[in-house]
Amino acid sequence: EPEVTQTPSHQVTQMGQEVILRCVPISNHLYFYWYRQILGQKVEFLVSFYNNEISEKSEIFDDQFSVERPDGSNFTLKIRSTKLEDSAMYFCASSLLRPRGGVGTQYFGPGTRLLVL
Amino acid sequence: DAKTTQPTSMDCAEGRAANLPCNHSTISGNEYVYWYRQIHSQGPQYIIHGLKNNETNEMASLIITEDRKSSTLILPHATLRDTAVYYCIVDGDDKIIFGKGTRLHILP
Repeated sequence: EPEVTQTPSHQVTQMGQEVILRCVPISNHLYFYWYRQILGQKVEFLVSFYNNEISEKSEIFDDQFSVERPDGSNFTLKIRSTKLEDSAMYFCASSLLRPRGGVGTQYFGPGTRLLVL
Repeated sequence: DAKTTQPTSMDCAEGRAANLPCNHSTISGNEYVYWYRQIHSQGPQYIIHGLKNNETNEMASLIITEDRKSSTLILPHATLRDTAVYYCIVDGDDKIIFGKGTRLHILP
């Protein structure tokens, strides 16, 4: 069964460093997402991406964040200058369709646990 | 904020049916009801969705009331692996707004 994969599974970085989190969505999917979950808290939407551009972003997704689909398979989230509060689990998701009136069936990856020291 | 109300936690005996309720009284006509779950430290997992009719798949059944103001997710024979947080989602946008969900404990 096709699945979303994410690398690395864990990332430790120093505050102020840049990190790139990588995702390989399901191959025929068209919509891509990043979410994050701070330990013990809710899963929060960061950004959605369709047709090579951002569809929507949350307040969390400020100028320090960027997304890219550099080739036909990868979808990346870059944090330019990490802060302590960026420590979280980051989930990538993809969906094939966005049915009218619905979020679409999104398939999530296993996540990357980011720890900023 | 999420447009749904779910109990904070529930217990269910292993092998029994787990019935998880969700209230979504402000749902609009074109909004689907989706259920996801998150097993500890894993990515959320899609379970099922529906608009008006009851739905069943290999994981669960979804019962939506006729007025669409509430729904119930049914796991017919709960196992220990079904211990997770279950999220009921109603949204017309393409992003998922996760609430706190229901923490389901399956008891051996």
